[in-house]
Amino acid sequence: ILNVEQSPQSLHVQEGDSTNFTCSFPSSNFYALHWYRWETAKSPEALFVMTLNGDEKKKGRISATLNTKEGYSYLYIKGSQPEDSATYLCASFPQGSNYQLIWGAGTKLIIKP
Amino acid sequence: DADVTQTPRNRITKTGKRIMLECSQTKGHDRMYWYRQDPGLGLRLIYYSFDVKDINKGEISDGYSVSRQAQAKFSLSLESAIPNQTALYFCATSVYGSGYTFGSGTRLTVV
Repeated sequence: ILNVEQSPQSLHVQEGDSTNFTCSFPSSNFYALHWYRWETAKSPEALFVMTLNGDEKKKGRISATLNTKEGYSYLYIKGSQPEDSATYLCASFPQGSNYQLIWGAGTKLIIKP
Repeated sequence: DADVTQTPRNRITKTGKRIMLECSQTKGHDRMYWYRQDPGLGLRLIYYSFDVKDINKGEISDGYSVSRQAQAKFSLSLESAIPNQTALYFCATSVYGSGYTFGSGTRLTVV
């Protein structure tokens, strides 16, 4: 199984600042890329499912871009708020993987008031 | 009520005991999954099922078994629990092409 890497591992951001972090995944046999938000003591919640190279998705202040040729996706948060504090997970869905997601270890985002 | 319900939420059990974790869903999704999460690691797939008659091993199935009793129910068993099975366990559901819906997790401690 090829790895999905997320960076940075953790990130402290001042409230009101914008931020972004990266998910790197194997570009060969790409099928889909998922982003999830996981708040402490809760369960992961789906943010985006992305399939097309160059795709950009947005949900409120959070957006994501996808580059399938070079194997990376960026998640952006504009004007961070304390409620954005969470771990953000990405997962790759390669073709020929029996449709199993390959998960990154996450980026833990902490918003400082 | 939650779309995906896991029971119990927390469990402490002794080494060698058999334990079952249960998962039920009201999403109507055909696909169900069991994952475990350990600190510093990504979610790792234990078993998955695409319908009632379809059960597949995931990345780390050794020491675990599952039963898909109905489309809405998927249970995970540890036949003889060992301490390195101490982890946070998640059940999840999906349909083809969708994001996953996760249960609230079961924190299992094997002593």
